[in-house]
Amino acid sequence: SAVISQKPSRDICQRGTSLTIQCQVDSQVTMMFWYRQQPGQSLTLIATANQGSEATYESGFVIDKFPISRPNLTFSTLTVSNMSPEDSSIYLCSVRDPRGSNYGYTFGSGTRLTVV
Amino acid sequence: TQLLEQSPQFLSIQEGENLTVYCNSSSVFSSLQWYRQEPGEGPVLLVTVVTGGEVKKLKRLTFQFGDARKDSSLHITAAQTGDTGLYLCAGNDYKLSFGAGTTVTVRA
Repeated sequence: SAVISQKPSRDICQRGTSLTIQCQVDSQVTMMFWYRQQPGQSLTLIATANQGSEATYESGFVIDKFPISRPNLTFSTLTVSNMSPEDSSIYLCSVRDPRGSNYGYTFGSGTRLTVV
Repeated sequence: TQLLEQSPQFLSIQEGENLTVYCNSSSVFSSLQWYRQEPGEGPVLLVTVVTGGEVKKLKRLTFQFGDARKDSSLHITAAQTGDTGLYLCAGNDYKLSFGAGTTVTVRA
């Protein structure tokens, strides 16, 4: 399965600022997924990032707040813009096993964001 | 709207005891997956179930998929402290939809 390097692993940010999270995959993948996970809770999909096209956002998430870049088949970034304390959460990127979705998804270790 | 409901939300047991976690879906997905997540890490796939009535075993873990492909269960026999974690079921189509998760704590 793919190996994902996600950074930063954690950060404490001032409200009103922005943070960019990076995900690097050790193989080429068509789709990358970005999730938000509040402490002790489940994962909520923010958006799906395809190389060469705009990301597809889930209900409740907008591009102005969570802009995504996907410059090539191994890298993506998620920016959390104009942060407020409500954005404090864990953010994770994920890719699907190239053999097919039934073989599962691999996740990065997550970025723990605290907004003060 | 949460498509997948998991129960219980929290489970604390003594080492050596058995436990069962349930996942019920309001819709049918192509397949259903179970993941375990430990603190500071991303979820890790345990199993994928596809066929109604399917039973899969992974050492002390037994996964069942209901005949209607809407409900599933995870049973752990003789739990160990290393089984502690957040257990997540996820419906799988072209993307994953996660249940709320079950936090399992196995006490020594």
